[in-house]
Amino acid sequence: EIVLTQSPGTLSLSPGERATLSCRASQSGTSNYLAWYQQKPGQAPRLLIYGASSRATGIPDRFSGSGSGTDFTLTISRLEPEDFAVYYCQQYGSSPRTFGQGTKVEIK
Amino acid sequence: EVQLLESGGGLVQPGGSLRLSCAASGFTFSSYAMNWVRQAPGKGLEWVSLISGSGGNTYNADSVKGRFTISRDNSKNTLYLQMNSLRAEDTAIYYCAKDQARGVTTADDYWGQGTLVTVSS
Repeated sequence: EIVLTQSPGTLSLSPGERATLSCRASQSGTSNYLAWYQQKPGQAPRLLIYGASSRATGIPDRFSGSGSGTDFTLTISRLEPEDFAVYYCQQYGSSPRTFGQGTKVEIK
Repeated sequence: EVQLLESGGGLVQPGGSLRLSCAASGFTFSSYAMNWVRQAPGKGLEWVSLISGSGGNTYNADSVKGRFTISRDNSKNTLYLQMNSLRAEDTAIYYCAKDQARGVTTADDYWGQGTLVTVSS
């Protein structure tokens, strides 16, 4: 099983600042089948990024994904008020699919 | 418009059974793999099961193997999760989620709003 470790656990930032979230895989079997999801309280997750760097339909270009192998990054270039949420990475390249434990982006 | 609507959650005693359903609309259901993902109260996401578009292939997390069975009825555009031998640690919101593309490994682009399963005596 591929274990995904996200860091930091919590990121305290102000609107307009840049957010950098990390996701590290325990082995390189993801083949860049790495996704990022956003989840707000009481809501289902929303797909942001797939294939490590492709934005899903309707996702603003302030969200970008990068990385390969075992190290992946989600960057939010300028935080908007609606971006404060929990973010999860997921690998879907091997079974079982696994999620990271999440990074909470909170208002400073 | 893609819609996924889960139902069947509720309160069940340890050792009991429950069947969840997910009614799908707005896309060609039989062409897409589907998943169940759960989230325990205040915790992160956990992938549970996946079924291919035809229903011929299924995959399960180790935590539910031998207890949960994923299935689908493509004539009814409905996904199911039969949960047996339920434990307190199965308490969670259960989401159904649609794979993004046909026939290949993809992320999940649409999610239902979830149904809550509580296992308690």
